[in-house]
Amino acid sequence: QVQLEESGGGLVKPGGSLRLSCVASGFMLSGYYMSWIRQAPGKGLEWLSYISETGTYTNYADAVKGRFTISRDNAKNSVDLQMNSLRAEDTAVYYCVRVSVSTAFDYWGQGTLVTVSS
Amino acid sequence: QSVLTQPPSASGTPGQRVTLSCSGRSSDIGSNPVKWYQQLPGAAPKLLIYSNNQRPSGVPDRFSGSKSGTSASLAISGLQSEDEADYYCAVWDDSLNVWVFGGGTKLTVL
Repeated sequence: QVQLEESGGGLVKPGGSLRLSCVASGFMLSGYYMSWIRQAPGKGLEWLSYISETGTYTNYADAVKGRFTISRDNAKNSVDLQMNSLRAEDTAVYYCVRVSVSTAFDYWGQGTLVTVSS
Repeated sequence: QSVLTQPPSASGTPGQRVTLSCSGRSSDIGSNPVKWYQQLPGAAPKLLIYSNNQRPSGVPDRFSGSKSGTSASLAISGLQSEDEADYYCAVWDDSLNVWVFGGGTKLTVL
């Protein structure tokens, strides 16, 4: 079955960096766009970024453009999110999500918590 | 502030039918198919409806979606206690070139 497992979350100081990883299983990663979506404590969902099947195309929300970078390694079945210049408002649970053409965000990981605090 | 507008809360009693709304613009809901997601307490979101009114396999037919113009709706009939959750609408925005979500509606089953 389709599984997405995030890792790399934790506590980081403002201005610091963190790299999140998502390992996919149960499907061919190379056949899908992938996205990262986050949810601040007690708040709604916020789409952050997507990456195309081969990594050729990427897109970012304004809130993270220039600070976050999405990448993938299909051979390792993984999708990463490099987060730099972190701010307190980046504190959230970060979800790795599969993107299907018709159904969009059809499978979600369980999320990894990132806390930005001094 | 979310691009898509959802009422923050809704409620119903078991067996009742409730309708949750999602309002957008011509560049998002007015141009693209809407998805709905259910997030149970403490869990990751789950796809409930795609392409405005299609249910993935495994989603009960008590859940139905519709769209008209720049608004979309999620209807839940035969409300059950396990339907108590947060519900989010989402759509691609042609103007912003990003995915946008509604702020979510917290559904309480009384």
